[in-house]
Amino acid sequence: GQNIDQPTEMTATEGAIVQINCTYQTSGFNGLFWYQQHAGEAPTFLSYNVLDGLEEKGRFSSFLSRSKGYSYLLLKELQMKDSASYLCAVRDSNYQLIWGAGTKLIIKP
Amino acid sequence: ETGVTQTPRHLVMGMTNKKSLKCEQHLGHNAMYWYKQSAKKPLELMFVYNFKEQTENNSVPSRFSPECPNSSHLFLHLHTLQPEDSALYLCASSQGEGESSEQFFGPGTRLTVL
Repeated sequence: GQNIDQPTEMTATEGAIVQINCTYQTSGFNGLFWYQQHAGEAPTFLSYNVLDGLEEKGRFSSFLSRSKGYSYLLLKELQMKDSASYLCAVRDSNYQLIWGAGTKLIIKP
Repeated sequence: ETGVTQTPRHLVMGMTNKKSLKCEQHLGHNAMYWYKQSAKKPLELMFVYNFKEQTENNSVPSRFSPECPNSSHLFLHLHTLQPEDSALYLCASSQGEGESSEQFFGPGTRLTVL
């Protein structure tokens, strides 16, 4: 079966750095997405990785290793508004998105 | 505002009721999706439409019936639902189904089945 694993919840301090990991086992791979979802709101797109390596976008970076079936989202200079759930999703060989259950990130002052 | 709107935002219905969820996208996309989001569970893809044609139906019970009259509008007709169908129903759209096309989500309809 297809599976996406990510931690259920993480806590970090304002101003610090946090890394949210995602491991996947899917039938084929056609890219990995990270989305942010604030409570009661729509998920919004953060990043897309299809080749190995690091993609940097401001305070957020996403890393992919296809051989290890592994990705992480790195958030720097954390702000209170970064408190949200972070969803990892992999596009499989049928171009369908397989989603993780999300990581709830709690930022403390 | 994401460009994808959903109505109603909240819905409470009994098991014998019939209701419809509406989604509209203002982004000129040609693919639209219905997802179910339950607490602490992964997003479950329910239906996919590409250029108004249904391309995916992930073994969804027949009490959920989608309708896509054009590329901008998507409906989910509900009838004789069960309490376990209570969840957040999200609509999304994308330019296509392939590769890097990101999906844009609406705010969702919070459904409670009594």
